[in-house]
Amino acid sequence: DTGVSQDPRHKITKRGQNVTFRCDPISEHNRLYWYRQTLGQGPEFLTYFQNEAQLEKSRLLSDRFSAERPKGSFSTLEIQRTEQGDSAMYLCASSPQTGGNEQFFGPGTRLTVL
Amino acid sequence: AQTVTQSQPEMSVQEAETVTLSCTYDTSESDYYLFWYKQPPSRQMILVIRQEAYKQQNATENRFSVNFQKAAKSFSLKISDSQLGDAAMYFCAYSRTNSGNTPLVFGKGTRLSVIA
Repeated sequence: DTGVSQDPRHKITKRGQNVTFRCDPISEHNRLYWYRQTLGQGPEFLTYFQNEAQLEKSRLLSDRFSAERPKGSFSTLEIQRTEQGDSAMYLCASSPQTGGNEQFFGPGTRLTVL
Repeated sequence: AQTVTQSQPEMSVQEAETVTLSCTYDTSESDYYLFWYKQPPSRQMILVIRQEAYKQQNATENRFSVNFQKAAKSFSLKISDSQLGDAAMYFCAYSRTNSGNTPLVFGKGTRLSVIA
């Protein structure tokens, strides 16, 4: 299976701890997106990359959040000093640079902050 | 900023019947994409159907079709011959078309139940 993968699938942490999530996109896709989805809501855009370049960051991405895609392949999303409000599903998606904008989503990482 | 509104939090349909999910959006762009994504209980989002705003013909994919009304900024999804496997959250989404593929703006979703 060569779909988008995310690790871990679930993460439980205590408030104030740092957490890091990983996303591996479909190998030929050079655009990678991070979204956050809270219960009962649609996904909200956080940030996206073309290769290793971060093209855009949402205002939702506070200073405690940082995302990287150092070699233009996998990406990491780090949350520092987690808060209970960070509890959500973090979704990663990938797409080619152009062509219809179909994005392929991973299964998500569910974060619970106690 | 672009917004997407789904006014039906929940819908239900009898198996083999037809159901229509509603979506409206707001944008000042003239060219853009609209999408319907399905999120089954396992939560991996998959694309159902896509519409390019400059195309007047409504998109269809097997049992799924859309009614795209550009002037009214309306984009509804019709599911014909509903099947149990259609039960899921359905999200309407928008993206601009400049600078290649861009982030999606999602609505809040409609939970569809299919009754056997």
